[in-house]
Amino acid sequence: EIVLTQSPGTLSLSPGERATLSCRASQSLSSIYLAWYQQKPGQAPRLLIYGASSRATGVPDRFSGSGSGPDFTLSISRLEPEDFAVYYCQQYGSSPPYSFGQGTKLEIK
Amino acid sequence: EVQLVESGGGLVQPGGSLRLSCAASGFTFSSHEMNWVRQAPGKGLEWVSYITRIATTIYYADSVKGRFTISRDNAKNSLYLQMNSLRAEDTAVYYCAREGRDGYNLNSWGQGTLVTVSS
Repeated sequence: EIVLTQSPGTLSLSPGERATLSCRASQSLSSIYLAWYQQKPGQAPRLLIYGASSRATGVPDRFSGSGSGPDFTLSISRLEPEDFAVYYCQQYGSSPPYSFGQGTKLEIK
Repeated sequence: EVQLVESGGGLVQPGGSLRLSCAASGFTFSSHEMNWVRQAPGKGLEWVSYITRIATTIYYADSVKGRFTISRDNAKNSLYLQMNSLRAEDTAVYYCAREGRDGYNLNSWGQGTLVTVSS
């Protein structure tokens, strides 16, 4: 079973700054199996990035994903107030089919 | 518009049972694998269970194996989670989530239903 480790646990930045969030897999992982989600308080998660670098429908282009197994990155080029949330990476495997990283909280500095 | 609406959550005593439902609309339900994902209060996301389009393959997290049963009724556009022998650690918001047509990610989520296991 592949374990995903996200860093940092909390990231404190100001609007307009660039955010870089990391996700490391415990073993090699094909990029097609890596996704990123955003979750705001009281809301369900929302798919942001799939296949490590493809933006989901409606996701602003300030969000970008990159990397290849085992290291993946979610970048937000210029933080908007609505971007402050918790972000999770997720991997798809055989059994179990899905697992998530522990999350990175992006908070306003 | 894709919609997933969970129901059936509530307060239940340890050892009790509960059945969650997820009503799907706005897409061809029978064309998608479906999942249940949960989130304990203040914690991260935990995948719970997966079912293929015609229920030929089913997976469970080790934490619920033998206690939870996932099922679906494609004629009713509905997903279910039967939860037995509930424990305090099963307390969480339970989300149903649709797998994308190309697989490998969960591209639509319901709003969740809260299950509280407490005496």
